[in-house]
Order: sequence, then structure tokens, then C-alpha cells
Amino acid sequence: NAGVMQNPRHLVRRRGQEARLRCSPMKGHSHVYWYRQLPEEGLKFMVYLQKENIIDESGMPKERFSAEFPKEGPSILRIQQVVRGDSAAYFCASSPPSDRGQFFGPGTRLTVL
Amino acid sequence: DAKTTQPNSMESNEEEPVHLPCNHSTISGTDYIHWYRQLPSQGPEYVIHGLTSNVNNRMASLAIAEDRKSSTLILHRATLRDAAVYYCIKASNYQLIWGAGTKLIIKP
Repeated sequence: NAGVMQNPRHLVRRRGQEARLRCSPMKGHSHVYWYRQLPEEGLKFMVYLQKENIIDESGMPKERFSAEFPKEGPSILRIQQVVRGDSAAYFCASSPPSDRGQFFGPGTRLTVL
Repeated sequence: DAKTTQPNSMESNEEEPVHLPCNHSTISGTDYIHWYRQLPSQGPEYVIHGLTSNVNNRMASLAIAEDRKSSTLILHRATLRDAAVYYCIKASNYQLIWGAGTKLIIKP
């Protein structure tokens, strides 16, 4: 059973470009969570999705950020018109229904030049 | 503050037990306590979680105080591979509320 997969592992963008981060949950997991981590800090919750539904996006910036988890395919975290402050590690986690344990992917490290 | 409180860093000798403390005085009756650890440049790895009773698994033990305002993660015999940042997390439903964690240094 493969773990949570994220790609790309490293992403470099120039200011104003778009960043697309992908997350494939573990097999059998229908819940996906996205977190952001700055250096020397803990993770900060961004959004919680189930298939085709956004359950909680209270941690997402109101502008430029969006997330989806379609019926088929990976979950996507999209950042439009990136700025230097968006540089961080973005982690995806997944869980099965009715389970509090979250399993994390290796993360995508976004660098905005 | 809704976050947990942990020491910034701790040191331990290899092959000795390690006790990592955590304070969570604002915990509610339905909040779970989770522990994750993170190695440099890697995603967090689940360690253990509990609600009221002490918990054991192959990685560690979790001792939860009777009033639930604190807990201790116990690594029974630390190895160099256990060197990581350990996060004590209050889980309110699906939301994991992360603090800054404890950096565990293992001395050979």
C-alpha cells in the first residue's frame, strides 16, 4: 500500500506565476488535508477536503489560493500570482473516513524567486 | 492559546529512555492528543495518539495525566534514528493544532 504521494517535491516559481501542487492520498482514504510549514515552525492547517467537497477552508488565504479534490485524480492546491511570502513547505495528509489519524506525504517545497 | 506547550529541545543518550513532556491545559473533553515526529526535509510521521488512557504501540508509549492537562511521550530505548522534532498536537475533531515541537537530540 503506497503512502501519500506529492509532486513535485520541489517547485520554483517567479513572482506572478502559478503554482500547482498535487497530492494522491493513500488507497482507501477519501479525506485530504493541506498544511503549510515555514522554517522552524509547526504545520498550519489550510484546508480539509473530501471527494468533490471542501469541508473546511478556514486556514486558506482568501485570495489566490484554491484547492480541489475531484472524483477522479489527485487533490490539487493551486496558488495564483505567487509572491515571495508563499515560499514554504506544503504538506498533504490523508485519512480514511471516521479515523483521526492522518498520514502525511513528503511535501512540496515551493520557492518563489 | 489553543496550542500545546513543549520544551524547545531535549538531549538524551543513545539506548536510554526518553520522556518528552507536553502541556495542554486548554484541552476539552473530546480533544485527542496526537504525537508526530518530523525528520529534516521530510513529512511528519505519526507516532501515537490517545484520549484518556495510557497507550502503547511498537514505537512509543503515551502517558496522559488524570486531569488530561499534560501528557508524556516515552521512547523506551532511543536510537540515533529517533533524532527528530516531536510535535504534541491537540486534535479537535479533524483539525490538528501544531505547536513548535521539541527537537530531540540523541548523543551516541
